[in-house]
Formats: sequence, C-alpha cells, structure tokens
Amino acid sequence: EIVLTQSPGTLSLSPGEGATLFCRASQSVGGNYLAWYQQKTGQAPTLLIHSASTRATGIPDRFRGSVSGTDFILTISRLEPEDFAVYYCQQYGSSPWTFGQGTKVEIK
Amino acid sequence: EVHVLESGGDLVQPGGSLRLSCAASGFTFSSYAMSWVRQTPGKGLEWVSGVSGSGSDSFFADSVRGRFIISRDNSKNTLYLQMNSLRDEDTAVYYCAKGPRGTAVNYFDSWGQGTLVTVSS
Repeated sequence: EIVLTQSPGTLSLSPGEGATLFCRASQSVGGNYLAWYQQKTGQAPTLLIHSASTRATGIPDRFRGSVSGTDFILTISRLEPEDFAVYYCQQYGSSPWTFGQGTKVEIK
Repeated sequence: EVHVLESGGDLVQPGGSLRLSCAASGFTFSSYAMSWVRQTPGKGLEWVSGVSGSGSDSFFADSVRGRFIISRDNSKNTLYLQMNSLRDEDTAVYYCAKGPRGTAVNYFDSWGQGTLVTVSS
C-alpha cells in the first residue's frame, strides 16, 4: 500500500502568515490522485483539494495544492483564524486508499 | 444540501458484532459510491470499506476483510456496515463518507459527524 508521510507534524503560525504543508508518497500516486482535508476539533474532515490541485466547491483561493513527483504540497497563502486545524492528505490512486498522519496548524 | 448521518455505534465486547447505518439525503444516493472511514487517536484516519453506487462492487481494507460487510439499500437511501468478530483495535469513530461519482471509491466530498464504536470487555 502507498504510505503517505506528512510534514511537519505541527506548524505554529500567526494569522496572516503563509503555511506550507507537505505530503510525501512512498511510491508514485497514479493520476496524481491526491486529496487534502481540513479537520477542526470535534468535527468531521472536510474536503479542500482533490486531484492534487483542484479546489473543492466553496474552498477559498488562498488554499492551493501542487505536486512535484511524489511530493504533494498544500499552501495556505494567508492564514485566517478559521484555518487553524489539522490537515490530512489522502491518496486514491491505488487501493487501499490511504491517509497521511496529519499536520496540525496551530496559533503561535 | 448533502447530508449523511451515522448511527449504531455502541460498546461491544471483543468477538461481538455491530451494525452501523448511514442515512443520506440531499443527493441521488444510488448515483454515488459510499465509504466508511474510521479515526482513532493513535492511527489517525483509515479507510475501511467502500461500495459502488449500484451496490454491485465492494472494497475492503485488509484489516477488516472477511469480518466486515458493506451494503446499501438505495430504496431507503441508507448505507450499512455489518461488523463481525470485533477486536479491540476496531475501536474508533466511524464516518460515513460520500464519493464524487458512482463507480469505484476515491476521495470523499461529504462526511457525516461519525458514530463511536468501542470494543472492550
């Protein structure tokens, strides 16, 4: 199965700053079929990005997904107070669909 | 508006069985693949099982294959997960999640709020 390793584990940032989150796959992800989710405390995950770089409906353009080989990147250009949460990547290029362990973006 | 609501979570002894349900509304249920995804503090998010929109194709993680059965009743807009031979490591919050299309399983564009399954003696 494809193992996804997210880094860093925690990002401590201030509102207005930019954030860069990484998700490295243990092997090639077919079709760059990778999604990003945001999860706030006590809530279910919500879809942010699919197909590595396509924003889901209603997601603001400060969220941007990109890919370089087996490295996937989620960039948040200017952190809003509601962006402090845990972010997960998930690959769906090959079964079983797998998730990364998450990156927590916390207020500094 | 898409809405999915899980139910059926409970405390069960190891070796026991439990059936989870997921009631869906706000979309044409039979046109979309559905999945169960679980979350534990230690292991994070884990995809468990998925089923195509028609119900003809189902998929399982190795950790549950042979013990869990996924099914759906498209006339009732409801997804099910029959969990048998439960183990301590099945303890988790189980989410019902909608796929973006009817075939296969891929990413998840809508999630329920989850139902807690605790396996313990």
